[in-house]
Amino acid sequence: QKEVEQDPGPLSVPEGAIVSLNCTYSNSAFQYFMWYRQYSRKGPELLMYTYSSGNKEDGRFTAQVDKSSKYISLFIRDSQPSDSATYLCAMSAGYSSASKIIFGSGTRLSIRP
Amino acid sequence: DGGITQSPKYLFRKEGQNVTLSCEQNLNHDAMYWYRQDPGQGLRLIYYSQIVNDFQKGDIAEGYSVSREKKESFPLTVTSAQKNPTAFYLCASSTPQDREKLFFGSGTQLSVL
Repeated sequence: QKEVEQDPGPLSVPEGAIVSLNCTYSNSAFQYFMWYRQYSRKGPELLMYTYSSGNKEDGRFTAQVDKSSKYISLFIRDSQPSDSATYLCAMSAGYSSASKIIFGSGTRLSIRP
Repeated sequence: DGGITQSPKYLFRKEGQNVTLSCEQNLNHDAMYWYRQDPGQGLRLIYYSQIVNDFQKGDIAEGYSVSREKKESFPLTVTSAQKNPTAFYLCASSTPQDREKLFFGSGTQLSVL
């Protein structure tokens, strides 16, 4: 079993829809939860960063962490064609070394105009 | 503009050949990392360096080597011992205070001739 599971998609939704992207994990020591966005053949960019449980909102993006269920989500409101990308979840236990950052395999998202 | 520059964008390797991927950053970050990305898989850590003249193996270091002679530079050599080198290689950096917030370069696609 992988430490982090993420549905690869592809996920295709019409412009303006609410998008829900999810990851599950098995390591209860994870405390830092990140979402990276990666456009085709580019490097990932950090989109959302959350410590411990709860919600975090930034514009059209909301990140949710449910540590009791070992489940994290990213919601995109009013989705735009420019949101079409691969979204990678990542998490860490917060030890001294970043070697503990574990990435999901990514969900490919397509927003139809 | 501050950022991470990876070169070349595309690289081809012949059998038995060593190739070196360049990574330069002007973000003044202490930590630098090399990740490998294969289709449908999450990012896997090859090597990382927390300070100049020091580096550690990640999860898949076999067949790779690195050096960290300058804070700004962290080149990766893919040796002939790496039997399956075809992948997208990503260089990243971070500060000691926010190790989970990775800044990525735009990647190098390595293919075998």
